[in-house]
Amino acid sequence: NAGVTQTPKFRVLKTGQSMTLLCAQDMNHEYMYWYRQDPGMGLRLIHYSVGEGTTAKGEVPDGYNVSRLKKQNFLLGLESAAPSQTSVYFCASSKSAGRNQPQHFGDGTRLSIL
Amino acid sequence: AQSVTQPDIHITVSEGASLELRCNYSYGATPYLFWYVQSPGQGLQLLLKYFSGDTLVQGIKGFEAEFKRSQSSFNLRKPSVHWSDAAEYFCAVGVGGSQGNLIFGKGTKLSVKP
Repeated sequence: NAGVTQTPKFRVLKTGQSMTLLCAQDMNHEYMYWYRQDPGMGLRLIHYSVGEGTTAKGEVPDGYNVSRLKKQNFLLGLESAAPSQTSVYFCASSKSAGRNQPQHFGDGTRLSIL
Repeated sequence: AQSVTQPDIHITVSEGASLELRCNYSYGATPYLFWYVQSPGQGLQLLLKYFSGDTLVQGIKGFEAEFKRSQSSFNLRKPSVHWSDAAEYFCAVGVGGSQGNLIFGKGTKLSVKP
């Protein structure tokens, strides 16, 4: 009964390093999302995917790339990490884009860029 | 424009006291509404949802919410707060569409005094 699983849970990077955050869902959901959460800013959508092999930009996509090679996985990459990318990152999924569909969230990845 | 406003950034209540968290939405049609809770270090968990019918909806953990169309509100309530309810609470409206089918408020942080 895993739902949405994010790895890693914590990570510290140095400026300029790269890394990939992994999100996996076992609910056969079509739609997946990456958000970042910063104090006072709420949730901001970074990128999203409407199905395997598709990705699109959200509200704050700069500095991030994503891939969805398999339906159950959605990867978020930072090519050259910057201190402004210090944040908590959440992955979510939903069955469809319908407005009656709740999103299901992972527990987050806490990322610090020094 | 579609939006969700949570007027209170931070609320403190005493354990055992009643709780009401405010949520106002802006949406042109009949809304689908959600409340999520985020415990410290955790992801967002769905508390309850309103789609239609009875305007008072029950959720998990003893929470309920009342939909008031005339006030464009969907306030979350609990009769007696427990220390474990300390968390951040997010209201959301379903807008449909792949670019994040939900619009979230910025959240209300609840602190519970012993």
